[in-house]
This record gives sequence, C-alpha cells and structure tokens, in this order.
Amino acid sequence: DTGVSQNPRHKITKRGQNVTFRCDPISEHNRLYWYRQTLGQGPEFLTYFQNEAQLEKSRLLSDRFSAERPKGSFSTLEIQRTEQGDSAMYLCATTTGSTDTQYFGPGTRLTVL
Amino acid sequence: QKEVEQDPGPLSVPEGAIVSLNCTYSNSAFQYFMWYRQYSRKGPELLMYTYSSGNKEDGRFTAQVDKSSKYISLFIRDSQPSDSATYLCAIESTGRRALTFGSGTRLQVQP
Repeated sequence: DTGVSQNPRHKITKRGQNVTFRCDPISEHNRLYWYRQTLGQGPEFLTYFQNEAQLEKSRLLSDRFSAERPKGSFSTLEIQRTEQGDSAMYLCATTTGSTDTQYFGPGTRLTVL
Repeated sequence: QKEVEQDPGPLSVPEGAIVSLNCTYSNSAFQYFMWYRQYSRKGPELLMYTYSSGNKEDGRFTAQVDKSSKYISLFIRDSQPSDSATYLCAIESTGRRALTFGSGTRLQVQP
C-alpha cells in the first residue's frame, strides 16, 4: 500500500453516462498525475497537477475528460458521455517536489457497457 | 514507432532462474529510468529508479542502463513464484514530469 487511495475501485456504467473518480494523495505530495491503462498496455499519461494548477494535458484527454484538484489536495477525474473505448484502468500517482519517484494508487477500473 | 519498446512476453521460468527483462527507447532526452512491478488488477509498484548509465543493485534486483545504446534491463536473481507479475519499464525526460511506459512484460515463475 503506497498511501495513495482511489475510489471507487470498480465502476460499471452505460454508454453515455457521466462518471467521476477520486484520488487522495499521500499528504505531503504536491504533484499528482492521472494515467490510463488498457489491457496488455502500460499506463499512458493523461494529465498532471502541481498543487492546484493543472500544468500539462495529454492529447488523450479529449473534451469529454476534465480533471480538478481543488486546494491542491484530492483530485477528481470526470468523463462525460462515456464511450466503450473509455473502458480502462484509471491510475493516479503522486510525488513530492524533491523527487521524481511516482507512487501509484490501486486504480479505478471502468467498464462501459 | 513507440518511444519505449518492451517485449510483452509472456516469459515463463522455473523457480530459482535468473530473469532478464529489457526495454529500448528512442528519445535521447530520456534521463530517468524506472522499473515497476504490477500484480493483476493492482497499481504499479516502484522497484528500481536510476538516472545514470551503469548498474544499480537492490537485493535480488539489478537495474542496468546503457544510454549509448538506449537500452535498459532489469535482472532478477533467484526468482520466486511471488515475482510472477507484469514488469513495466518507465522513463522520464528532463524537464517533463510524465512517465512514458513500455507495454509491460508478463513474468510467470513456476514453482
């Protein structure tokens, strides 16, 4: 257990519905990352926060995706109008400012029917 | 062509064997190299982290980086059934915080 928690652990939804995931970082970690991992692939970067500022977004993050990190603590990732192609594991990782080591949470597995 | 290439396996070895896992990369800006282990339906867990060419050892694990060849390796000595997992190489470039992962190699250690 790295100390990074994610909720829910599993989410099953119907196509077209909106879903929101939450990540709670290790308390002193000011950088927070979201990745997406599909079956048989490594994680792919989605977006990154330093404190409450969203500093980088991947081309993978379409307009249907939005991430927030109010007050630089927990973060949420929302997917609007879900599509079957959104089915994946969504991973959160956090790190301090003094190290590049990223610690991953257990992930949220999304299934879009 | 992907920036990081990794043999997907699966790789099956008997208990006690030495395992060699490898990745190649194409971007010279990559400067920080990591190996993560991921058990089924879990998040990746950091095993090794290095930023220089050469070897770094931690218990049964040795990470090797050859920047001139853009080649990184993870060696596992005296492999155990508990080492059965997917191993992901991950690389970070200078000035960019996101990690670029290989596709992962699935390892099965047979008792």
